[in-house]
Amino acid sequence: EVQLVQSGAEVKKPGESLKISCKGSGYRFIDYWIGWVRQMPGKGLEWMGNIYPGDSDTRYSPSFQGQVTMSVDKSFSTAYLQWSSLKASDTARYYCARHLGTFDIWGQGTMVTVSS
Amino acid sequence: DIQMTQSPSSLSASVGDRVTITCRASQGIRNSLAWYQQKPGKVPQLLIYAASILQSGAPSRFSGSGFGTDFTLTIRSLQPEDVGTYYCQKYDSAPWTFGQGTKVEIK
Repeated sequence: EVQLVQSGAEVKKPGESLKISCKGSGYRFIDYWIGWVRQMPGKGLEWMGNIYPGDSDTRYSPSFQGQVTMSVDKSFSTAYLQWSSLKASDTARYYCARHLGTFDIWGQGTMVTVSS
Repeated sequence: DIQMTQSPSSLSASVGDRVTITCRASQGIRNSLAWYQQKPGKVPQLLIYAASILQSGAPSRFSGSGFGTDFTLTIRSLQPEDVGTYYCQKYDSAPWTFGQGTKVEIK
């Protein structure tokens, strides 16, 4: 079964760092882009950026450039999304999804709560 | 960047009704348009791609049409399990923008 499994929910304080993960299985991980999508509470879907596990080529949405860092460890078929200094406005559910133009396979999402 | 605008933002319809959601791109995107369904508290799922091709496993009561700038998602006979929010997404080129969503409820 093709699936993406994300790391669990996180509760952090403003200013803290965080790295969440997305592990692919059931397909050749290095051949497909992985996209990250943010969904703030009660809001819609926002594309954050994509990373290609084969060569770590990364494309960021202008809205998220400089705010997050995407990386990948292809030996573990895992993509990562990280923040160096979280803000309350980063509170959201973050999805990874396999990207072939469309997002055809989605992870279950990681809820990140940033609160003092 | 190309903007994606959905209408209506929300709708309420009866079981069995025909429901239509529209998505408009600010510039032409050929048929590079996908629709997603997100049921309450669930993960988004790809419903339609290439504007009109039903994703494997999606119910046949869903259909899509359009080309260029104007696209439509139709639910032929609304069912209780169709409650949720529907998003269009362009994928002709980056940025891979989503519409703002259309919330579908049962009357």
